[in-house]
Amino acid sequence: DGGITQSPKYLFRKEGQNVTLSCEQNLNHDAMYWYRQDPGQGLRLIYYSQIVNDFQKGDIAEGYSVSREKKESFPLTVTSAQKNPTAFYLCASSMVQGAAEQYFGPGTRLTVT
Amino acid sequence: QQPVQSPQAVILREGEDAVINCSSSKALYSVHWYRQKHGEAPVFLMILLKGGEQKGHEKISASFNEKKQQSSLYLTASQLSYSGTYFCGTGVEDSNYQLIWGAGTKLIIKP
Repeated sequence: DGGITQSPKYLFRKEGQNVTLSCEQNLNHDAMYWYRQDPGQGLRLIYYSQIVNDFQKGDIAEGYSVSREKKESFPLTVTSAQKNPTAFYLCASSMVQGAAEQYFGPGTRLTVT
Repeated sequence: QQPVQSPQAVILREGEDAVINCSSSKALYSVHWYRQKHGEAPVFLMILLKGGEQKGHEKISASFNEKKQQSSLYLTASQLSYSGTYFCGTGVEDSNYQLIWGAGTKLIIKP
């Protein structure tokens, strides 16, 4: 079955630690995205990537970093510089960037205390 | 720049109809509709493109008024499974093809 996997589903960290969230897709999509979702709010774009070895900042990139070394993988690192990292993180992919359906992974709920 | 969704929440009885609206202050080339159940990933419902093309599920209908920069999602004869939060994502012209998402409309269907 084709789809997007994110792991882990729940993640707990102490303040000051970096943490990496995994995102893998086997849909052969070129574009991948990372979103952050806070309670009662819509999705906010952290980073996106159109092709391998290329990525751009979204609206709230500060305190986050990404890499795109393989087409199917787009991991997100939440660094200690992110002031309020506790949130629900969603990874998505689409065939191309733009007016194409985005497929979402199941999400990772990160709690930092 | 975030599109405005209305209403913020709506409660229906099974079988009733609902309309969810999404309004932008920017010129749009596309509107995307998704439904999200609590703690789960958003699920694609429909894309509406400038020029009239639509892609989506057969049982979902929506409109896109390009001049008014507005889109509406029509849910008819609602079922319990329609419950969730509905989000619109707007493709703004000259935004490097990124979607800007509304805050969501929470829909509760009661038996």
